[in-house]
Amino acid sequence: GQQLNQSPQSMFIQEGEDVSMNCTSSSIFNTWLWYKQEPGEGPVLLIALYKAGELTSNGRLTAQFGITRKDSFLNISASIPSDVGIYFCAGLNYGGSQGNLIFGKGTKLSVKP
Amino acid sequence: DGGITQSPKYLFRKEGQNVTLSCEQNLNHDAMYWYRQDPGQGLRLIYYSQIVNDFQKGDIAEGYSVSREKKESFPLTVTSAQKNPTAFYLCASRNDRGLQAQHFGDGTRLSIL
Repeated sequence: GQQLNQSPQSMFIQEGEDVSMNCTSSSIFNTWLWYKQEPGEGPVLLIALYKAGELTSNGRLTAQFGITRKDSFLNISASIPSDVGIYFCAGLNYGGSQGNLIFGKGTKLSVKP
Repeated sequence: DGGITQSPKYLFRKEGQNVTLSCEQNLNHDAMYWYRQDPGQGLRLIYYSQIVNDFQKGDIAEGYSVSREKKESFPLTVTSAQKNPTAFYLCASRNDRGLQAQHFGDGTRLSIL
């Protein structure tokens, strides 16, 4: 089945540093989504990307839908302690999967004040 | 407020017991989903439902059952056949029209007594 490779698995950074994480797939997706999950809570949608090449920002977060439709990245600028959590990418292909998401395994972000 | 409500937050199961996790949404979403999350893993799809009175198995449906008698509700039963039920269970819903992302509840943590 389809799989997403998300990297890095974890990051330990200093407050104020920029962060970059990415997801790659062997298959094409029509939509890329980025979620953040904090301990004991459900994932919260950060950014949704619907077109190849699309670059979208949400505050200090920027995400891009790769031109090949097989990858996406998420950048966080000037990190702060509340950015701590697990970030998941998810791909959505309406072709045959009934709108079901394929998730990466997550990038765990730790921010040192 | 509109949203997805999962209950209970914590649940304990005894050997040989079936337990039911509740998921209710007031977003008028057509599609609903159940995921299982294990530490260090991405989300794995258990069951999904695109419409009332219809549901489909996901990737790890064995040992689980669902029903969709009402649009707002999609309860998940973890049966005694599920030998490793300890996990964090997440419910999600999505508006089936257009390119709409899935939105998640806050999860139920199930443990074995």
